[in-house]
Amino acid sequence: QVQLVQSGAEVKKPGASVKVSCKASGYTFTGYYMHWVRQAPGQGLEWMGWINPNSGGAEYAQNFQGWVTMTRDTPISTAFMELSRLRSDDTAVYYCARGPREWSSFDYWGQGTRVTVSS
Amino acid sequence: EIVLTQSPGTLSLSPGERATLSCRASQSISSSYLGWYQQKPGQAPRLLIYGASSRATGIPDRFSGSGSGTDFTLTISRLEPEDFAVYYCQQYGSSPRTFGQGTKVEIK
Repeated sequence: QVQLVQSGAEVKKPGASVKVSCKASGYTFTGYYMHWVRQAPGQGLEWMGWINPNSGGAEYAQNFQGWVTMTRDTPISTAFMELSRLRSDDTAVYYCARGPREWSSFDYWGQGTRVTVSS
Repeated sequence: EIVLTQSPGTLSLSPGERATLSCRASQSISSSYLGWYQQKPGQAPRLLIYGASSRATGIPDRFSGSGSGTDFTLTISRLEPEDFAVYYCQQYGSSPRTFGQGTKVEIK
């Protein structure tokens, strides 16, 4: 069965970086896009961007351009999302989510990784 | 950017009742690239509906989606206890992908 398993919770200081991993299993990793979505405490969902695990190409939402980087390691079927220059309002749960095509809904989601930014 | 506005913000209903959730887009969504997700506290969202009206794998037929262009609806025909949650619509036909702010379906 399809599973996306994310890395554990992180606590970071303002100005630091965080790298969240998302390990895929149960399907061909390179055959599906991987999106990243975040959710601040008590708030809605915010799309951050996607990576194409086959080509390594990525598209980032304008709000995140310049400070998010999405990468992948295909031999271990894992996608990564790195956010730099963290601020307190980056405190959120970060989700990876699979998309069958570039323009598609997100059919499977990781369990989420809580990132807390605090001095 | 396409802005999605969901209404109502909160829906208070009893088990067995019908729930009708609305999602209105600021501009037409191409090819009905509109999805609906359910999220329960402490859990990741779950895909219910894609393509405005197609149920995702394993989703009960009490969930149905309809609409096109700028107006979309999620209907839950008879609420089960496990259906009380927050529901989000999402458009994925243009970048950035955007979500509505959510509708909370709570027990009356």
